Amino acid sequence: GNSVTQMEGPVTLSEEAFLTINCTYTATGYPSLFWYVQYPGEGLQLLLKATKADDKGSNKGFEATYRKETTSFHLEKGSVQVSDSAVYFCARRGFNTDKLIFGTGTRLQVFP
Amino acid sequence: SAVISQKPSRDICQRGTSLTIQCQVDSQVTMMFWYRQQPGQSLTLIATANQGSEATYESGFVIDKFPISRPNLTFSTLTVSNMSPEDSSIYLCSVEAPGEKLFFGSGTQLSVL
Repeated sequence: GNSVTQMEGPVTLSEEAFLTINCTYTATGYPSLFWYVQYPGEGLQLLLKATKADDKGSNKGFEATYRKETTSFHLEKGSVQVSDSAVYFCARRGFNTDKLIFGTGTRLQVFP
Repeated sequence: SAVISQKPSRDICQRGTSLTIQCQVDSQVTMMFWYRQQPGQSLTLIATANQGSEATYESGFVIDKFPISRPNLTFSTLTVSNMSPEDSSIYLCSVEAPGEKLFFGSGTQLSVL
């Protein structure tokens, strides 16, 4: 099938800790992959994306590498801040379609 | 980029009633998407709304329950009809810009009693 699986939250970290949020996908072919973020009280917004295998998306200190051998797109950040507290959604493009397929979201809570 | 205004931001409704959610975009877009975000679940696409044609619904969603209007390239509405508590959710509209970038409204939190 075509789906996205991401780790359950909440993920609770202290400021400056290293972050990994796992995301794996099943798909036909090599779909574009995305991470969206939803800050409290706001709409979802694109954080980063990768459109082909071995691409690395990066933004605001976050990175994710498109790994076709493990069908993964894990989100990482070397040093999180309190302001990174949000819900993070992994997503992939559907096959031959315009729609995005989202994971269930992972809540990140960063404490000072 | 696109700025999306969605309203209402939240509402509490009685079962059996209907609620219409409005989505206004600050630029003309071809396709608008309506999603549902249920507690603890992923975003689920309800339908794709194209201007000048009927909306395309995803499996499990029907026009009678979720009628959609798309009168022009900057506006769309989604109605949740004959509501039940199972319809309690966050409803989101979104548009896609070049480069596969989706922009989302801030959502409508609906609670059905």
